[in-house]
Amino acid sequence: EDKVVQSPLSLVVHEGDTVTLNCSYEVTNFRSLLWYKQEKKAPTFLFMLTSSGIEKKSGRLSSILDKKELFSILNITATQTGDSAVYLCAATQGAQKLVFGQGTRLTINP
Amino acid sequence: EPEVTQTPSHQVTQMGQEVILRCVPISNHLYFYWYRQILGQKVEFLVSFYNNEISEKSEIFDDQFSVERPDGSNFTLKIRSTKLEDSAMYFCASRGTGRAANYGYTFGSGTRLTVV
Repeated sequence: EDKVVQSPLSLVVHEGDTVTLNCSYEVTNFRSLLWYKQEKKAPTFLFMLTSSGIEKKSGRLSSILDKKELFSILNITATQTGDSAVYLCAATQGAQKLVFGQGTRLTINP
Repeated sequence: EPEVTQTPSHQVTQMGQEVILRCVPISNHLYFYWYRQILGQKVEFLVSFYNNEISEKSEIFDDQFSVERPDGSNFTLKIRSTKLEDSAMYFCASRGTGRAANYGYTFGSGTRLTVV
């Protein structure tokens, strides 16, 4: 059965801390791994990773994929209260389908 | 920035009634999807749609569900006879091709369906 597992499920840190969110996957016909931020409703796109070992960066966020060990991490440095959200990891299975993890609820306290 | 638009944002319906959830994908996208998220659970794939036909569907997407692209802009999900367990947030998503595909799937804000 295809599955994506995220850890931790919940994380509370202080503003300014650095956090690392984990995502492991076992998905047939794997193509790519995506990270999304979900605040109130719509998941908003952060990164799509297709190649192993190549870090993608966007401001304070970065992510990397390890296709040998079947995992990805999302790093957020110098966290701000606006980073509080549920972070979703999803793997593409075959040509079309996204298989989602259960999400990590990140809370940044001032 | 282009958006996927979903209407209504919230719908309450009686068990056994038919509902139609509407979506306007990003205009130059060619792949369309419906996902759902039951409260407190994972986002689950329902169906993908390309070239005016279903390309893949999950076990959840049984005969009670159907999708349609009635014109060049709308993409709808119909549930014929709603059940209590259909209560969930339903997300529409679309995806581009070529360079646009590097930006992943764009999700709408969702329709919260409550079946009573």
